[in-house]
Amino acid sequence: EDQVTQSPEALRLQEGESSSLNCSYTVSGLRGLFWYRQDPGKGPEFLFTLYSAGEEKEKERLKATLTKKESFLHITAPKPEDSATYLCAVHNRDDKIIFGKGTRLHILP
Amino acid sequence: KAGVTQTPRYLIKTRGQQVTLSCSPISGHRSVSWYQQTPGQGLQFLFEYFSETQRNKGNFPGRFSGRQFSNSRSEMNVSTLELGDSALYLCASSSLGQIYEQYFGPGTRLTVT
Repeated sequence: EDQVTQSPEALRLQEGESSSLNCSYTVSGLRGLFWYRQDPGKGPEFLFTLYSAGEEKEKERLKATLTKKESFLHITAPKPEDSATYLCAVHNRDDKIIFGKGTRLHILP
Repeated sequence: KAGVTQTPRYLIKTRGQQVTLSCSPISGHRSVSWYQQTPGQGLQFLFEYFSETQRNKGNFPGRFSGRQFSNSRSEMNVSTLELGDSALYLCASSSLGQIYEQYFGPGTRLTVT
């Protein structure tokens, strides 16, 4: 069965303290891997799509990377406004999207 | 460009009732997907519609159904509500029939009492 596991479940960082969030996946025929950011009371906001191992994408302080088994979301010098839940999802060959349960990130000023 | 809109934003129903949720996608987007989000299970895929046809379906009982209209607006219906149906229901749209780069609405918070 296809599944996505995100770790850690929660992470507290000081402002400026860089770190990485992990998304491990087992999927039949990966067609794409997505990262989203979700703020409380809102729908997820699209960040990145990665299609193949070795691919990297960047947006401001965020950088997403992909291997054959996992993806990392690197956060460089985070600010309090980066506090949110970060969700990872995979698109499998059956055209279904499977989400991980997310990592709750809290950046302390 | 206006984002995805969902109505209503909040809803309280009792067990056994039915409910209809509405989603208007981003203009030009023809694919609409529905998800259920709960603290325990996270985000789970319900179904996807493209050009008024259900193209894919998740593992939910038949009480959950949907449809899409010619203007790409979509509705989701849940019949015979159960307490466990309490959740945030999210709608997402994407263009060109691709479910890559989905854009989500704010969701409808359904509480079943």
